[in-house]
Amino acid sequence: GAVVSQHPSRVICKSGTSVKIECRSLDFQATTMFWYRQFPKQSLMLMATSNEGSKATYEQGVEKDKFLINHASLTLSTLTVTSAHPEDSSFYICSARGSRGGANVLTFGAGSRLTVL
Amino acid sequence: GQQVMQIPQYQHVQEGEDFTTYCNSSTTLSNIQWYKQRPGGHPVFLIQLVKSGEVKKQKRLTFQFGEAKKNSSLHITATQTTDVGTYFCAVHATGTASKLTFGTGTRLQVTL
Repeated sequence: GAVVSQHPSRVICKSGTSVKIECRSLDFQATTMFWYRQFPKQSLMLMATSNEGSKATYEQGVEKDKFLINHASLTLSTLTVTSAHPEDSSFYICSARGSRGGANVLTFGAGSRLTVL
Repeated sequence: GQQVMQIPQYQHVQEGEDFTTYCNSSTTLSNIQWYKQRPGGHPVFLIQLVKSGEVKKQKRLTFQFGEAKKNSSLHITATQTTDVGTYFCAVHATGTASKLTFGTGTRLQVTL
């Protein structure tokens, strides 16, 4: 149980275009999903908390107009990187909260590696 | 904000040697989690520690929560090449039971 599917796994786009990344909880409902960003050999940085049916909560320093998050259903959250630039190139990982043995843990998607040319 | 530091940043061992990574928080924690991320992969949950001084084992992995609940360690006995990856501790952000703040991570390389 607790499988999170994320796609695309890799995307290359031109500077100035927008890219949408999807995150789906396959066998459970996720009222809350989290979007992280990871640069090479660095830790995961939380970008925003995606709440089903309401606006996402963004972490300090994350531009909400650039990283659009939509959580329209209990199983799907999307992250759109608008007007992407080379500095947006990164590994984006979504996660959903689940329970394992009573522990409040995160199940991660496989991640999406974005390269902006 | 909450800071979670891990040391070392990187360690290279030969197969069969032991390995330990340490996680230190600037604040007292309610619990701590550990995740493993293989190269090119995504983080996978390993374990959660809740009680002061708690020790848990998973085969060759031993996890410990400090008495003051501000630090934790992960020890791997007799490393294998399959242990390669980055190990992260993670803590819930102050005032929330859902947002996880990840430590800086320790990257482990194991060679024959």
